[in-house]
Amino acid sequence: EAGVAQSPRYKIIEKRQSVAFWCNPISGHATLYWYQQILGQGPKLLIQFQNNGVVDDSQLPKDRFSAERLKGVDSTLKIQPAKLEDSAVYLCASSLVGDLLRDVNTEAFFGQGTRLTVV
Amino acid sequence: GENVEQHPSTLSVQEGDSAVIKCTYSDSASNYFPWYKQELGKRPQLIIDIRSNVGEKKDQRIAVTLNKTAKHFSLHITETQPEDSAVYFCAAPRRSRPDSSYKLIFGSGTRLLVRP
Repeated sequence: EAGVAQSPRYKIIEKRQSVAFWCNPISGHATLYWYQQILGQGPKLLIQFQNNGVVDDSQLPKDRFSAERLKGVDSTLKIQPAKLEDSAVYLCASSLVGDLLRDVNTEAFFGQGTRLTVV
Repeated sequence: GENVEQHPSTLSVQEGDSAVIKCTYSDSASNYFPWYKQELGKRPQLIIDIRSNVGEKKDQRIAVTLNKTAKHFSLHITETQPEDSAVYFCAAPRRSRPDSSYKLIFGSGTRLLVRP
């Protein structure tokens, strides 16, 4: 089975510039997550989609971050303008279903991530 | 992490010894507890998970135990090997508000080093 695809793998930008990341989840997975992983820390959820609807974006800095999943498949995460503290690995993950408490197939499969460096 | 506490942050063991990593969570309704392994420069991968209808689950050298009363769960690795060296993350469901969906919150990670 093909895994979660992300691009680009690496990106270096100057502060105040814009950047976009792309994610293609595993085919058939309804739930898609974007996580931010700062060096030495655990992944922090930024936004969770169920099909093309947002389930949770409480940790997304909405003044500069935006994400969409228009057709319920691919997703893009954008940062505009970037700050130095945005330097991190941005991980996309997908799962078959999204109700963590009720469903069985809730394993989240992660992509390789995009390493963003803001200078 | 957000109310998922993990410790120790680093753990060094001799090859063949056991390693134990512990996590605590805050939401008593949480009933799904996965453990992920992340090798250097690679993606996190699920290694084992447990649901709250059981107290222990084993898969070869890896086991996870759950104490719902105390709200903590642990990862146990026996007969450790150098290839077990990685960062391990626990996770638990939590919701921002009573009317919101549950999201998976990760611990801060444990860097395990297995010395040959």
